[in-house]
Amino acid sequence: GESVGLHLPTLSVQEGDNSIINCAYSNSASDYFIWYKQESGKGPQFIIDIRSNMDKRQGQRVTVLLNKTVKHLSLQIAATQPGDSAVYFCAETELGGSNYKLTFGKGTLLTVNP
Amino acid sequence: NAGVTQTPKFQVLKTGQSMTLQCAQDMNHEYMSWYRQDPGMGLRLIHYSVGAGITDQGEVPNGYNVSRSTTEDFPLRLLSAAPSQTSVYFCASKDREGTEAFFGQGTRLTVV
Repeated sequence: GESVGLHLPTLSVQEGDNSIINCAYSNSASDYFIWYKQESGKGPQFIIDIRSNMDKRQGQRVTVLLNKTVKHLSLQIAATQPGDSAVYFCAETELGGSNYKLTFGKGTLLTVNP
Repeated sequence: NAGVTQTPKFQVLKTGQSMTLQCAQDMNHEYMSWYRQDPGMGLRLIHYSVGAGITDQGEVPNGYNVSRSTTEDFPLRLLSAAPSQTSVYFCASKDREGTEAFFGQGTRLTVV
């Protein structure tokens, strides 16, 4: 069935380093891929999305890369800061009638050491 | 602008008790949904609504009921709580066209 999963459950980096969080997906029909950040005790918060017809999208300090050939998604965080410590989820959705539905991966815990 | 508001934040129930988790949004979003989050399982969709008067089941609907009488509110009902429903519950809303879902702060439910 459909699934969105992650290669690494935990990632520890030093402040100022770049972080890369990976995600594998299996639903080729997905139209959008999205990254969410969840801080302790809070709900997930949207970071960035990428449409399936793109391979790269940049935001503020974040870049998402999409490789449809191998069904792989990554989130790159530049100059990681302590405030970036959180669980990061990838999610996917389809346009049209199923646009209500987000399918989430299991999450990666990012810890930033000062 | 409050966004998505969930109440209560914490709840302890005894097996067999019933309760309603409240969710309200003030962004006039058409789509609302309920997720549960369990350790190592990510977020799983329980029920969703694409507009007032329209609801449908998600991935894990058993043991839960929903209704959507207004655009703003989307309560989740547990008719007879079971220990397997111990989880953190999140309500989310989004507009029809966008990809960004807005989540509430969550309700941590323990069933003993």
